[in-house]
Amino acid sequence: KAGVTQTPRYLIKTRGQQVTLSCSPISGHRSVSWYQQTPGQGLQFLFEYFSETQRNKGNFPGRFSGRQFSNSRSEMNVSTLELGDSALYLCASSRGRPGAQETQYFGPGTRLLVL
Amino acid sequence: GQQLNQSPQSMFIQEGEDVSMNCTSSSIFNTWLWYKQDPGEGPVLLIALYKAGELTSNGRLTAQFGITRKDSFLNISASIPSDVGIYFCAGYLRNSGNTPLVFGKGTRLSVIA
Repeated sequence: KAGVTQTPRYLIKTRGQQVTLSCSPISGHRSVSWYQQTPGQGLQFLFEYFSETQRNKGNFPGRFSGRQFSNSRSEMNVSTLELGDSALYLCASSRGRPGAQETQYFGPGTRLLVL
Repeated sequence: GQQLNQSPQSMFIQEGEDVSMNCTSSSIFNTWLWYKQDPGEGPVLLIALYKAGELTSNGRLTAQFGITRKDSFLNISASIPSDVGIYFCAGYLRNSGNTPLVFGKGTRLSVIA
């Protein structure tokens, strides 16, 4: 069974631009979570989607948004990029609904560099 | 927010040595997960623990769910160079409803051949 895939793997943007990252979960997995990872802050939860609905949200500004499609694929968008948004963005999928406390499986991440 | 205290932050060991790292919290957890992350890659699940006292092995790796449900440890026996990476613990709080996974800050392991 294929794992979680994320595209693109690497991205360079300039301040003020916007970016869209994509995540395809493991087949049969319906929950998708997004995390931001930086050396200083570690893994920080962005949001979680299930059945095309955002079920949980971390403490990030409104510039960070996401969505999920009917096939469980998910995208996240960051608008008006800032230098501090440079990070590894990780997507993780799990089988069931939020609150089921199921094991999450991570993709390889998208490395975003904002200049 | 809720924090997991993971220690040590980093360790340098000789190839062939055993390694031990742990995560502790003041709160009770239902599930403990251990992940390994290689540079530039996403975390890979090593071991999942679901019951207090559970001891689970995956090759040279062994992890335990603490009896108090507030801690977990990971042991690596006879370390090899490919064990290099960052090891994360993560857990789901008991009675947390929809609260997402809580992560430790990681243990960076370096193996000297």
